Amino acid sequence: DAGITQSPRHKVTETGTPVTLRCHQTENHRYMYWYRQDPGHGLRLIHYSYGVKDTDKGEVSDGYSVSRSKTEDFLLTLESATSSQTSVYFCAISASELEADGYTFGSGTRLTVV
Amino acid sequence: AQSVTQLGSHVSVSEGALVLLRCNYSSSVPPYLFWYVQYPNQGLQLLLKYTSAATLVKGINGFEAEFKKSETSFHLTKPSAHMSDAAEYFCAVSWSWGNTPLVFGKGTRLSVIA
Repeated sequence: DAGITQSPRHKVTETGTPVTLRCHQTENHRYMYWYRQDPGHGLRLIHYSYGVKDTDKGEVSDGYSVSRSKTEDFLLTLESATSSQTSVYFCAISASELEADGYTFGSGTRLTVV
Repeated sequence: AQSVTQLGSHVSVSEGALVLLRCNYSSSVPPYLFWYVQYPNQGLQLLLKYTSAATLVKGINGFEAEFKKSETSFHLTKPSAHMSDAAEYFCAVSWSWGNTPLVFGKGTRLSVIA
């Protein structure tokens, strides 16, 4: 049921390098989200998008940027990776602005910054 | 800021015993409420949701949750635990209409002992 895919699934990168994670959806949903998951913190919102070229910051946006040039793709960029950005990153999509439908999540990207 | 509290980062039950995972949220304003489950190395999948209809909500895999406005709670229960229920469970809340991303609790890891 892969209506949403994340790439890569795993990545190891060096401190100071830029990294881009991709979220691709085939559902034509308007809303897309990037969360990071860390032990003891649950999921924390990084950025989200409510349409092409429309994005907003979440709780932990420092050090991250996003772009959405077309409906199906939402890119998350770590401008200069740091060890504190070692995490599992999840993308989610939602069809409705009402939030009542909940989200569909991708399988995640495990990023290690060394 | 609105918040979601899951009591107990780790809960351990015997197979066949009652499962009770607790979730409280910070506002008395009726929100939308969700429970998600995450199996190892997977994304999150929706277990159930409350959207102001019946206060007792039934989900997949025999789970249910009851919305109690007076207690600002949405606890997740299952009468009889199965080994396959071992996973991490997240409570999530949305407080308003339109373009307000879900806020997640920190998660509760459920272990089921044979």
